[in-house]
Amino acid sequence: EAQVTQNPRYLITVTGKKLTVTCSQNMNHEYMSWYRQDPGLGLRQIYYSMNVEVTDKGDVPEGYKVSRKEKRNFPLILESPSPNQTSLYFCASSLFGNTEAFFGQGTRLTVV
Amino acid sequence: QQQVKQSPQSLIVQKGGISIINCAYENTAFDYFPWYQQFPGKGPALLIAIRPDVSEKKEGRFTISFNKSAKQFSLHIMDSQPGDSATYFCAASTITGNQFYFGTGTSLTVIP
Repeated sequence: EAQVTQNPRYLITVTGKKLTVTCSQNMNHEYMSWYRQDPGLGLRQIYYSMNVEVTDKGDVPEGYKVSRKEKRNFPLILESPSPNQTSLYFCASSLFGNTEAFFGQGTRLTVV
Repeated sequence: QQQVKQSPQSLIVQKGGISIINCAYENTAFDYFPWYQQFPGKGPALLIAIRPDVSEKKEGRFTISFNKSAKQFSLHIMDSQPGDSATYFCAASTITGNQFYFGTGTSLTVIP
């Protein structure tokens, strides 16, 4: 089954404790991206990757890191999480940037 | 600033009625305009998309109307059903497929 898998689905952590949210796709897509969803703000792009070893900042990259060492994986790293990073995070993949995006189930992150 | 402006924020429609959600953009480099549907607890999923070489695209009860000169596009849901109750996001991307921009979302409730 074609899918984008994110883990974990829920995460509660403390300020400053490094964490990684994993994302994997099995559709051989070139393009992957991370979004955060906040009430009233919609989905905002954090980082995107157009291919292996190619990543770039989206609209709200501060406080986040990503890597794309393999085509299928695109982890999101928060090196020192802060409470303002409490949000619902989505990973998405698509064949190219301007084609249909497939989203994961989301990760609800709470930073206390 | 918001690259894609979406309205209304929420919408209540009677079963069988027409739901209309509007989006506007400024960047003339945008050339891909999808609409995504999101149910609670799920990631967004592509509903319908249009490219600027056509003014309208219809898929079943869902229609996108696109006005290139006004830089506006809208989603029309005909014969709205309670199962259509969800959050709808418009989005835009450029021909190079780099960044992806979403609207702030519209919460649609269809009452029986």
